[in-house]
Amino acid sequence: DIQMTQSPFTLSASVGDRVTITCRASQNIGTWLAWYQLKPGKAPYLLIYKASTLKSGVPSRFSGSGSGTEFTLTITSLQPDDFATYYCQQYRTFGQGTKVEIK
Amino acid sequence: EVQLVESGGGLVKPGGSLRLSCAASGFMFSTYSMNWVRQAPGKGLEWVSSIGSGSTYKNYADSVKGRFTISRDNAENSLYLQMNSLRAEDTAVYYCARETYSNAVYYFDYWGQGTLVTVSS
Repeated sequence: DIQMTQSPFTLSASVGDRVTITCRASQNIGTWLAWYQLKPGKAPYLLIYKASTLKSGVPSRFSGSGSGTEFTLTITSLQPDDFATYYCQQYRTFGQGTKVEIK
Repeated sequence: EVQLVESGGGLVKPGGSLRLSCAASGFMFSTYSMNWVRQAPGKGLEWVSSIGSGSTYKNYADSVKGRFTISRDNAENSLYLQMNSLRAEDTAVYYCARETYSNAVYYFDYWGQGTLVTVSS
């Protein structure tokens, strides 16, 4: 089974910061990776699929990159609405999540 | 507008049963595979089960295999999860999610807000 490992578990940042979250796959998955944003009490929200394709309507400050086994989600100029938990996913396997909290 | 609305969660005793529902609207439900994903308190997301558009396949996580049954009614635009022999570790928010295949990859492009299942005596 493929394992997905995210880092860090928690990230403290300020509004305006550039934030990078890493996701590593235990084997080559090509670009078969998605990123989601979770907020308490809300539906999980797809941000990026196929490693780097932004879902329509997602702000351009979000970007994804990588292929094979290493992937990153970058948020340039963090906004108040971005404080949330982020998950990577390879089909039915999720990473452990990264909580982005206010510094 | 795509909408997925879960219902049926609640408090149940260990060993009990519960049936979750997910009402879909805003898209052609019968043409999409659907999934259940859960999040236990303080934990991450865990895929639970998936079903093909015409119920052609049904898959389950090892943690629920033999206890949970996924089904759908395309005429009613509804997805279901029958949960039997519930355990404390099944306590979680359960989400339904639409599966999309695009550009040679699968992903879950729309999710509901979830329904809370609590298994406790």
